[in-house]
Amino acid sequence: ETGVTQTPRHLVMGMTNKKSLKCEQHLGHNAMYWYKQSAKKPLELMFVYSLEERVENNSVPSRFSPECPNSSHLFLHLHTLQPEDSALYLCASSQDQGAWQPQHFGDGTRLSIL
Amino acid sequence: DQQVKQNSPSLSVQEGRISILNCDYTNSMFDYFLWYKKYPAEGPTFLISISSIKDKNEDGRFTVFLNKSAKHLSLHIVPSQPGDSAVYFCAASEGNTGKLIFGQGTTLQVKP
Repeated sequence: ETGVTQTPRHLVMGMTNKKSLKCEQHLGHNAMYWYKQSAKKPLELMFVYSLEERVENNSVPSRFSPECPNSSHLFLHLHTLQPEDSALYLCASSQDQGAWQPQHFGDGTRLSIL
Repeated sequence: DQQVKQNSPSLSVQEGRISILNCDYTNSMFDYFLWYKKYPAEGPTFLISISSIKDKNEDGRFTVFLNKSAKHLSLHIVPSQPGDSAVYFCAASEGNTGKLIFGQGTTLQVKP
């Protein structure tokens, strides 16, 4: 699956650093999503964007700040993260917002907080 | 509290036999269910889905069964192939919101 590309694939950062995760989809989809997968836990939905507007914020701490400048790009800006934020961060897209249209996932960014 | 549970962390099956992966849910308002497959170092890939108005959906070697009264769904793979070895996630959604609730996953190993 190469329709959704995430960069970087791996990221190590200190708790005081600021970094950004990038997601780009080449599928012409209108909805994009950020998920978090911690060790031994299910995927957790973080944010949903539909037509570049945030429609869902799943009680995510403010140290995670999403940005969707257009329907093809999605960013997750990170600042002052905690060690428990170490996880796999997955981006997904779907034709429109809705469970009836399957979400296509990128390969994820493995984030480690020192 | 987990609304979608996959109680078997792993399953091992012989090539050519049937693989049955199970998933239970607690929210009776869920009306759409999906299965995803994930290989190491890759993102999940959509496999098959079913809406609550059906009790079965089939796509090639993959069949999903839904038992609403038991709040249980299962994925049958037959015949199983070594390339099916992966982690399988079930997911559920309430209404057409795009908000998916995932289970913890079951690691399937198909032995040649």
